[in-house]
Amino acid sequence: EADIYQTPRYLVIGTGKKITLECSQTMGHDKMYWYQQDPGMELHLIHYSYGVNSTEKGDLSSESTVSRIRTEHFPLTLESARPSHTSQYLCASSEGAPRSAFFGQGTRLTVV
Amino acid sequence: AQSVAQPEDQVNVAEGNPLTVKCTYSVSGNPYLFWYVQYPNRGLQFLLKYITGDNLVKGSYGFEAEFNKSQTSFHLKKPSALVSDSALYFCAAGRGGSQGNLIFGKGTKLSVKP
Repeated sequence: EADIYQTPRYLVIGTGKKITLECSQTMGHDKMYWYQQDPGMELHLIHYSYGVNSTEKGDLSSESTVSRIRTEHFPLTLESARPSHTSQYLCASSEGAPRSAFFGQGTRLTVV
Repeated sequence: AQSVAQPEDQVNVAEGNPLTVKCTYSVSGNPYLFWYVQYPNRGLQFLLKYITGDNLVKGSYGFEAEFNKSQTSFHLKKPSALVSDSALYFCAAGRGGSQGNLIFGKGTKLSVKP
C-alpha cells in the first residue's frame, strides 16, 4: 500500500492569509508532484521535483511555491491566498520515469 | 503539443453490462499509458498501466485496457460493470525522455445504474 499523506484534508481560510499544504511520502521516491484540480475536472501539473533541492514549475502557472529540503517532504505554500486559489490540490510521488505515480488524498482549499 | 483526450464527459452503463471509457493520446516517442480512478473526495488510485509488451493490459478490480498504436488509443474496459465502479476515471500518458511527468486527460465520469 502506497504511503503518501497530505494535510490538511480540508482548509477554509480568509483572503490574504499565508498557507502551507503539507505532503509527505514514506516510499523514498525521488519524484514528487503537485496537481491542481477543480471539482470533477482535469488535473493540471503546477510543480514537480526530481529530488532534494530540485523544483520546477509545471504546465499550469501558479502563484504557489514549493520546496524540497528532504526527500520525503514536498510542501506547497501560498503567501497570500485569494478566492481564485480555491481548488483541490493533489500531491503525488513516483519512483522514476515513467512509473505510475501514487497520489495523496488531496487538500480541498477554500479561500473566502 | 502532447495531449491526452477523453472524448466523453460521462458514460452511463447498466449494472452487469460491459463498459468502455475512451482515451486517445498524442505523445512523442513510445507512450507510457495509465488509468487512474478517483472516488468522491478522494485522491487518485492507480488502476493499470501499459509500458511495453502485450497490448491488452489487466489491472485492478477487473478492469483492462487495450493499447492500439495505429489508433493511438488506450480504452478502458470491463466485461460486467458494478454500481461500485461509479467514479471519475482519468487516462494519463508519460512523456518520452527522462522526465516522466504524466499528462492527464480531463476525466470521464462513469455512472453505473442498478
